Amino acid sequence: ELKVEQNPLFLSMQEGKNYTIYCNYSTTSDRLYWYRQDPGKSLESLFVLLSNGAVKQEGRLMASLDTKARLSTLHITAAVHDLSATYFCAVVLSGNTPLVFGKGTRLSVIA
Amino acid sequence: KAGVTQTPRYLIKTRGQQVTLSCSPISGHRSVSWYQQTPGQGLQFLFEYFSETQRNKGNFPGRFSGRQFSNSRSEMNVSTLELGDSALYLCASSLVGPPYFGPGTRLTVT
Repeated sequence: ELKVEQNPLFLSMQEGKNYTIYCNYSTTSDRLYWYRQDPGKSLESLFVLLSNGAVKQEGRLMASLDTKARLSTLHITAAVHDLSATYFCAVVLSGNTPLVFGKGTRLSVIA
Repeated sequence: KAGVTQTPRYLIKTRGQQVTLSCSPISGHRSVSWYQQTPGQGLQFLFEYFSETQRNKGNFPGRFSGRQFSNSRSEMNVSTLELGDSALYLCASSLVGPPYFGPGTRLTVT
């Protein structure tokens, strides 16, 4: 059974600081997604990571994937308040199997 | 391009009742998945439909069921509602690439 663990689950960070969210998964998988969820809202797709060593960047967010370590990271650079949200990683075992989500990391960026 | 739409957005039901939720996928998307989101359990997969056939099923009791129509619209039904069914129900559609999620239906069971 595929298990996905994120840490930390809660993160309070100051504006301008850098931090990393970690996503570990238990078995070899096909692809990994990062999503963002604002309070009371739906999930917004941020990144899709398909292969070992993949790195994607969008603004202050950068995601990477190490398939050998079964680890993905979401790095936040110079955080701003607008990044406050819950971030989920989700892993697909193979083909058309469903997403398995981590518990999410609730990020709060404070001045 | 219109996104995934879900109706209704909010729903209050009483224990023992049944409920039907609807999802209209992005045009051209043939796969529709349903997820339940609760504070305690997080996001859990319910089922996925592709071309009117259930392709994957999560670990939920038989009270939870779904279907997909020829236009790819999907419905999920929960019978004999329990308090623990209170949750945000999210629908996602996909073609190739990441599933796109709808705004969700917030179900409250009293």
